[in-house]
Order: sequence, then structure tokens, then C-alpha cells
Amino acid sequence: DFQMTQSPSSLSASVGDRVTITCRASQSIGRYLNWYQQKPGTAPKLLIYVASSLQSGVPSRFSGSGSGTDFSLTISSLQPEDFATYYCQQSYTNPMYTFGQGTKLEIK
Amino acid sequence: EVQLVESGGGLVQPGGSLRLSCAASGFTFSSYDMHWVRQAIGKGLEWVSTIGTAGDTYYSDSVKGRFTISRENAKNSLYLQMNSLRAGDTAVYYCARVHYADLHWYLDLWGRGTLVTVSS
Repeated sequence: DFQMTQSPSSLSASVGDRVTITCRASQSIGRYLNWYQQKPGTAPKLLIYVASSLQSGVPSRFSGSGSGTDFSLTISSLQPEDFATYYCQQSYTNPMYTFGQGTKLEIK
Repeated sequence: EVQLVESGGGLVQPGGSLRLSCAASGFTFSSYDMHWVRQAIGKGLEWVSTIGTAGDTYYSDSVKGRFTISRENAKNSLYLQMNSLRAGDTAVYYCARVHYADLHWYLDLWGRGTLVTVSS
């Protein structure tokens, strides 16, 4: 079974900080990796697809990188609206997906 | 407006059944694979089930044999029949649309979710 492991599980940061969240796959998944943002009480929102492509409407301070088993999501300068939980998701085994456990980004 | 709207959640006793619906609008529903993803309160996202455009179905091990996904393209609707419900099935259930391009897939449209609570 595929496992997706995110680190850290939680992170405290300040507005203006640069933050990076990592996601590791238990097997190589090429670039079949997507990132989602979820705010409390709302549905997940697609941020990044195919490891590094920015979804339409998503601010350019978000970026993704990686391939194979190691991936990262970087926010270059945190804004107040970025405090949320972030999930990675592999689609290598489409149509059966696996999500990471999530990284909660909190205000310091 | 392009959207997905889930309904049918509620309180059900262990061992009971529930049918969730997801109404799609603003896009050609029949052209998309569709997923159900759930989230226990305070927990992460868990893939539940997928139905392809040809009606092919897939399930997570945790729901296989108990849940049935289906679609009715004429009504732009997705369903999840849930039987033999357990406390561990308590979660918000989201329907989501799969975007496919260049041999890659991602969930680009999500509903707001419907809460299923399994409790006596």
C-alpha cells in the first residue's frame, strides 16, 4: 500500500515568513503529486498539481517541487489567509488515491 | 455556476444504512470521473471510492463490500450507498471531480461536504 508522509505535522510561523512543507511517498510516484489547502469548516482547495503546476487563481507565493519520492510545498511570504492545513495527495495509483496526514500551519 | 452539492447525511445507528447524493452543475458531468473522500472530525482526508465515466468502480479496503458508488448522468448526480455502517464511518463526506490532462489526475472541484454520524 502507498503511504504518503508529511512533515512536519504542525508548524508555527509568522506573517512574512518563508515556510516549506515536505511530503514523502513510500514508493516512487514520478510527478503524480498534488497539494491541497483546507481551512476550518471548508472543503479542500487544489493549490498545486503535477508536483509544481500552480492551479488557476492561486497566488504565486505558493510553489511546489520534487519528483520520485520527495516533494515540497513552499510559501514564500506567509499571508494571514494562508494559515490552514495542507495535504499532499498521490495520483500515481489512479483511480485510487492516497493523502498525506496533513500539516497544520498556525500563527506564531 | 460550476459546483457540487452533497446531501443525505445525518445520524444513523450502527449497522444502519444511508445514501448520499452529490448534485453536479455547470459542467458536463458525464465526462468526469468522480470521487468520494471523507474526513473524520479533526482528522485528515481519506479516499473512499471512485467511479469512472464508464461506470467502473473502485473502493478503499475500509469500505469495500459495504459501500456502493453509482452515478446517474441524466440527473447529473453521484451517489454513495452506505450499508453496515460503523462508528468509524463517522465523517464529513465530500464528492470531488477529477481533472485529467496529459496523463495526470487531480481533484479540482469539491463539494462542501455532508456529515454522517454513526452512533446509538
